[in-house]
Amino acid sequence: EAGVAQSPRYKIIEKRQSVAFWCNPISGHATLYWYQQILGQGPKLLIQFQNNGVVDDSQLPKDRFSAERLKGVDSTLKIQPAKLEDSAVYLCASSLEWGAEAFFGQGTRLTVV
Amino acid sequence: GDSVTQMEGPVTLSEEAFLTINCTYTATGYPSLFWYVQYPGEGLQLLLKATKADDKGSNKGFEATYRKETTSFHLEKGSVQVSDSAVYFCALKGRTGGFKTIFGAGTRLFVKA
Repeated sequence: EAGVAQSPRYKIIEKRQSVAFWCNPISGHATLYWYQQILGQGPKLLIQFQNNGVVDDSQLPKDRFSAERLKGVDSTLKIQPAKLEDSAVYLCASSLEWGAEAFFGQGTRLTVV
Repeated sequence: GDSVTQMEGPVTLSEEAFLTINCTYTATGYPSLFWYVQYPGEGLQLLLKATKADDKGSNKGFEATYRKETTSFHLEKGSVQVSDSAVYFCALKGRTGGFKTIFGAGTRLFVKA
């Protein structure tokens, strides 16, 4: 069974630029999560989708971050404009249903310079 | 809100030593508890889990027991190997947290040959 796929693996941008990350969850998984993992910290949930609807985006900085999950499958996370403090690994995870075990992708390491 | 506290690292052990990484949690009700492992350059992998009080999760020689009376889920291994060097995250998922996985800050383990 294929795992959660994310791209790109690495991205370096200048502050104030825009960036987008892509995630393809495990086939059939209804719930999709985006986490931000700052170096030395545990992952922090940014947004959670159930199919193509948002369940929880309480910790998403909505002035600069946006995410969508069209058709309830793939998802994109965008940052516009980026700040230095956005440097982190962005992890996508999926689970079969709300409350089930989450499986994580390898993440996208973002460096903002 | 729900939270997880785990011992600070790094933890440095010699090969074949006994490992304990402490984890305590705060949550309403009966969350599921997890240990995830992150090897260098890789994504998060589920190591083991327990879904109710007194359950013992185990995998690859690692064990953790869900202790509701002490709100703890300490990770143990009787004899560590160099290949166990990684960052270990304790996590919980509960109804009061909207079933999102909440992580501790992580504990880095170094095992010397």
